[in-house]
Order: sequence, then structure tokens, then C-alpha cells
Amino acid sequence: GENVEQHPSTLSVQEGDSAVIKCTYSDSASNYFPWYKQELGKRPQLIIDIRSNVGEKKDQRIAVTLNKTAKHFSLHITETQPEDSAVYFCAASMSFGNEKLTFGTGTRLTIIP
Amino acid sequence: DGGITQSPKYLFRKEGQNVTLSCEQNLNHDAMYWYRQDPGQGLRLIYYSQIVNDFQKGDIAEGYSVSREKKESFPLTVTSAQKNPTAFYLCASRVSGTSGGATRFTGELFFGEGSRLTVL
Repeated sequence: GENVEQHPSTLSVQEGDSAVIKCTYSDSASNYFPWYKQELGKRPQLIIDIRSNVGEKKDQRIAVTLNKTAKHFSLHITETQPEDSAVYFCAASMSFGNEKLTFGTGTRLTIIP
Repeated sequence: DGGITQSPKYLFRKEGQNVTLSCEQNLNHDAMYWYRQDPGQGLRLIYYSQIVNDFQKGDIAEGYSVSREKKESFPLTVTSAQKNPTAFYLCASRVSGTSGGATRFTGELFFGEGSRLTVL
């Protein structure tokens, strides 16, 4: 089955700086890669996702890049703000036909004011 | 107001007791899931259900049981056979569609607010 590794487990950055979280996956058949954000005491929520037919996707200060050859994908947050402090999870699955979404172990991001 | 409701939010149980966590959704989603969240281990899939009266084991099903008698409801029972039940449990649902005559699943998982179970 799919195995997703996520690094780092914790990350602290100064407000205004950029943050990068990296994930690798094992199943070359995976083609759907979402990122979820979980604020303290709240439910995880989807913040961005990418499918394997594109190499990069942006949404305001958030971007995700995908390298299918190397089987890794990354989350980039620019101009970080205090409200970006949360735990971020990457995940991988086949977008269709596979009901299982395999999650990484999470990255706790702390923005230092 | 559409969404997923989990109850109770906090639950304490003595060793040897079964406990049932409730999950109800009014999003008209066909697929529902139970995940367990432990520090440093991400979200691990316990059980999932694609349609009413059908469910499958996830990666860590041992010691758990589920039922799916209604589309809106997917309760999880943590049995006394679960060796380390203290955890945060998340229920989720997802849109499904039909492709080539088979059910497929797309996109976003919508999560409930979770239930924290502590075994005393």
C-alpha cells in the first residue's frame, strides 16, 4: 500500500518569511495530493490539492509543487502570518477508484511574531 | 447548516468497556470514514463505508466495529479488544460519483470536530 513520509515534524519561522513542508510517497499510481490544515482544537480542512497532470498550483500565498518522477510534493507558504500556525498534513491517493487517502504524519508550523 | 457532527466531544471509559462514538452528516455524502489521530502519527484509517449497509476495514481496524444502517450515520464502537484506545477520533465524509458503472470518490474530505476518548 501507499506510504507517505512528511518532513519536518515541527517548523518555526518568523512572520513574513516563507515555510516549506515536504512529502514523499511510495505508490507511483497515486495521482491526487491534497494538503489539510488543522488549527489547534479544530477539524482538519482542505487548503489546496494537486493532481498529477500539473506540476504546480497556487492559491494566493499557498502553492504546492509535484515531482512525479521523484515521487515528492511540497507545500509552500509565503509571507507567513500568525494565523498560519497549525498542523499541516499531506496525503496521497488515486483520485478515482481508490477510497483510501493515506496521510503523512503532520508538520506543526509555528509563526513567530 | 450542513456538516458533520460527532458526539460526544470528550469521553472517558474504564478498561474493559465498549464505547460508541456517533457521527452524523447532512451533506448527502455517500462515503464516510473513521480516522484515529495520535501525536506524531498523522491520521490513520480505521473503517470506511461507500454506501449504506456496506463498509470495509482500513489500516487499523482491529478492536473497532462500525455499522452503516443509514446514509447519514456511521457510528464507531471501540471495543474492549482495542489495546490502546486512548486517542482522538475523527469522522469524515466525501462526495462520490459514478464512473464506468462503478462508484468512485473525488476530492475533499469533510471532517467532524472529533471525539477525544480517554481510557482510565
